[in-house]
Amino acid sequence: GENVEQHPSTLSVQEGDSAVIKCTYSDSASNYFPWYKQELGKGPQLIIDIRSNVGEKKDQRIAVTLNKTAKHFSLHITETQPEDSAVYFCAASGHNQGGKLIFGQGTELSVKP
Amino acid sequence: DAGVIQSPRHEVTEMGQEVTLRCKPISGHNSLFWYRQTMMRGLELLIYFNNNVPIDDSGMPEDRFSAKMPNASFSTLKIQPSEPRDSAVYFCASSNRDRLTYEQYFGPGTRLTVT
Repeated sequence: GENVEQHPSTLSVQEGDSAVIKCTYSDSASNYFPWYKQELGKGPQLIIDIRSNVGEKKDQRIAVTLNKTAKHFSLHITETQPEDSAVYFCAASGHNQGGKLIFGQGTELSVKP
Repeated sequence: DAGVIQSPRHEVTEMGQEVTLRCKPISGHNSLFWYRQTMMRGLELLIYFNNNVPIDDSGMPEDRFSAKMPNASFSTLKIQPSEPRDSAVYFCASSNRDRLTYEQYFGPGTRLTVT
């Protein structure tokens, strides 16, 4: 089955710096890769996703890149702000998973003012 | 849209008691997922439904856990009897499978504490 590995587990940056979180997946048939942000006491919130027919997607300060050959994808946050502090999860899915999302272990991002 | 609604938000119960968690998916969504989140194990998928039918319950820990979806707008996750190791945050999520995409939208969760 699909397996998703996420790194780093914790990340601390200064406000204004960039943050990068990386994930790898094992099933070459996976074709959907979302990123979720979870703030304390709340449910995971979908912030951006990418499908296997594109290599990069941007939405304001966040972007996701996908390398299908290497089976890895990354989340990039530029000009970080304290409100970006949260736990971020990557996930992978596809027809082999029947619509299930396979999640990474999470990255706790701390943005210091 | 109100989003996914879960109740209660917090539940404290004693070991051996029955616990019922409730979920109302986003209107129009036809897939529903129950997850459990703990520090040790992260986000675990317990069970999911398509069109009210359970598709994969391989994540359900043991027979003490059961889930139902009697209609498109309501699902329950029941634990009977509850044990301290069941303490976790339980999330419900929904998606629209007809779009052949997999975006899942999560509810706020139910924090369960079993003493």
